[in-house]
Amino acid sequence: EVQLGESGGGLVQPGTSLRLSCAASGFSFDYYWMTWVRQAPGKGLEWVANIKQDGGEKYYVDSVKGRFTISRDNAKNSLYLQMNSLRAEDTAVYYCARTRKDCSGGNCYYDHWGQGTLVTVSS
Amino acid sequence: QSVLTQPPSVSGAPGQRVTISCTGSSSNIGADYEVHWYQQFPGTAPKLLIYGTGIRPSGVPDRFSGSKSGTSASLAITGLQAEDEAEYYCQSYDSSLSTSYVFGTGTKVTVL
Repeated sequence: EVQLGESGGGLVQPGTSLRLSCAASGFSFDYYWMTWVRQAPGKGLEWVANIKQDGGEKYYVDSVKGRFTISRDNAKNSLYLQMNSLRAEDTAVYYCARTRKDCSGGNCYYDHWGQGTLVTVSS
Repeated sequence: QSVLTQPPSVSGAPGQRVTISCTGSSSNIGADYEVHWYQQFPGTAPKLLIYGTGIRPSGVPDRFSGSKSGTSASLAITGLQAEDEAEYYCQSYDSSLSTSYVFGTGTKVTVL
């Protein structure tokens, strides 16, 4: 059974950093692109970043470029999101998602999701 | 503001057919990028409902179907059931944006 479990969320002050983790099991992690998607309270879904199987390609939404870094450790079956210079507008539930198809081609989608971890940025 | 626009809400009685539109443009749906659909219940993670515009993953009831025409896509639910009351999102790719992967604005389906 495919399982994804996010951790690392919490309440932080603006301008600080946080690192999210996503532990994967039940599938060959190094075979798939992986993605972070977030959802602000009461709002819709927003794609944040995705990463190729070998980490060689990474893509980010404009609003996090230069502040967030997606990475993965295939030996640990884990996905990460390093979030720096956090802003109030980064407040959201962050989901990791297993990703199907090649994201560099534009047609990828998300077939399994974790339960999400809440990040709250507030003073 | 998303480049994929959905109606905020649709409703129907049990057994009826409802459709949810996802309106895009020539740089996303109209550029022949695939459309995918997700179902989300309050407080839970989204679930893949349709991929590749019209393909149902294993386990998704066949009362859910997806289609595309021009710059728009649609999700149809036939034989609406109470358990279908949820939020639905379309998702695609936009070649005109550096923010490439986009979700629709979301549609709340209410079963009357």
